[in-house]
Amino acid sequence: AQKITQTQPGMFVQEKEAVTLDCTYDTSDPSYGLFWYKQPSSGEMIFLIYQGSYDQQNATEGRYSLNFQKARKSANLVISASQLGDSAMYFCAMPYWDSSYKLIFGSGTRLLVRP
Amino acid sequence: DGGITQSPKYLFRKEGQNVTLSCEQNLNHDAMYWYRQDPGQGLRLIYYSQIVNDFQKGDIAEGYSVSREKKESFPLTVTSAQKNPTAFYLCASSIGTGTSAEEQFFGPGTRLTVL
Repeated sequence: AQKITQTQPGMFVQEKEAVTLDCTYDTSDPSYGLFWYKQPSSGEMIFLIYQGSYDQQNATEGRYSLNFQKARKSANLVISASQLGDSAMYFCAMPYWDSSYKLIFGSGTRLLVRP
Repeated sequence: DGGITQSPKYLFRKEGQNVTLSCEQNLNHDAMYWYRQDPGQGLRLIYYSQIVNDFQKGDIAEGYSVSREKKESFPLTVTSAQKNPTAFYLCASSIGTGTSAEEQFFGPGTRLTVL
């Protein structure tokens, strides 16, 4: 069975600095992917970035990048040049097949950006 | 603008009552999902639907029911059988092509409180 682990319940970062949010996973599927979502205090989930296990390069979307290390089964999110608006919950999620694709989510990391 | 709407934003229920949470999407997506989020935790799948008039139970379906009579709509009923319904409920949709890289789009959520 798939499992997603986010070991950092909370993180602080100074504005304009970079921060890494950890995500480790466990799956027996030979092909898989990882999503990262942001959840501001308003509650909606905002898609940030996705990477498939066979992608050759780490995914990048603006200030977000994925540090994907398959041997370590980790898919850490790196946010560069943190902004106050980055303060939110961040969730790592993995799709898995069970008659259709579904997402399994980690428990999340709360990021607080300090001015 | 295309998106997902959920109503109401806040809902209060007395014990023993059934309540229905609305979810509507105008993204022309085939697949729709309901998740439950408890404080400090990730999302857990309640029900999902890949196509109109068809839906399947997720990981925590007990005490919940859904219908999918129209492509745009996927209402969730929280029945009196749900022992601890106080939570944040998120509706999501995706294109429904059945690939692991398929992004799910989320609504703003409904916060249900049992009095």
